[in-house]
Amino acid sequence: EIVLTQSPAILSLSPGERATLSCRASQSVSSYLAWYQQKPGQAPRLLIYDASNRATGIPARFSGSGSGTDFTLTISSLEPEDFAFYYCQQRSNWYTFGQGTKLEIK
Amino acid sequence: QVQLVESGGGVVQPGRSLRLSCAASGFTLSSNGMHWVRQAPGKGLEWVAVIWYDGSHKYYADSVKGRFTISRDNSKNTLFLQMNSLRVEDTAVYYCARDRKPVPTGWFDPWGQGTLVTVSS
Repeated sequence: EIVLTQSPAILSLSPGERATLSCRASQSVSSYLAWYQQKPGQAPRLLIYDASNRATGIPARFSGSGSGTDFTLTISSLEPEDFAFYYCQQRSNWYTFGQGTKLEIK
Repeated sequence: QVQLVESGGGVVQPGRSLRLSCAASGFTLSSNGMHWVRQAPGKGLEWVAVIWYDGSHKYYADSVKGRFTISRDNSKNTLFLQMNSLRVEDTAVYYCARDRKPVPTGWFDPWGQGTLVTVSS
């Protein structure tokens, strides 16, 4: 099983700041990585797939990068609605998720 | 718009069965692979099962293999998850999620709002 490790567990930032979230895979997943956003009481929402492709309707402030084992989700300028949990997920070998990063307001 | 609505959750005793449904609207279910993903209370996400657009292939997480069965009725635009021999550790919110392609790519978009399954004596 491919294990995804996200860091940091909690990220405290202010609106308008830049957020950088990391996801590291226990073995190469090529570019088969996605990012999801989940707000309390809601279902996850696909943000990024294939490491760097934005899903339909996702604002341009969200961007993804990386390949192999190291990936990054960047939110260029945080909006109030961006504070949530973020999960990475791989599809290289079945499907596994990272444990999540909580992005909270500082 | 595309919408997925799960139902069938509830409280059940260990060893018993439950059947979840996922009603799709706003798109033709037969055009997409479909998944079930679960989330234990306060925990992360765990993929459970996938079914091809035509039901020809089905795959399961090891944690549910032999106990859960995914199926679909494209004529009724509905996805199912039959859960047998339930365990306390199966307690979770169960989400259905559409795959982006008929033969699954493994990207889940969108998700339903989820249905809570609680396994407890």
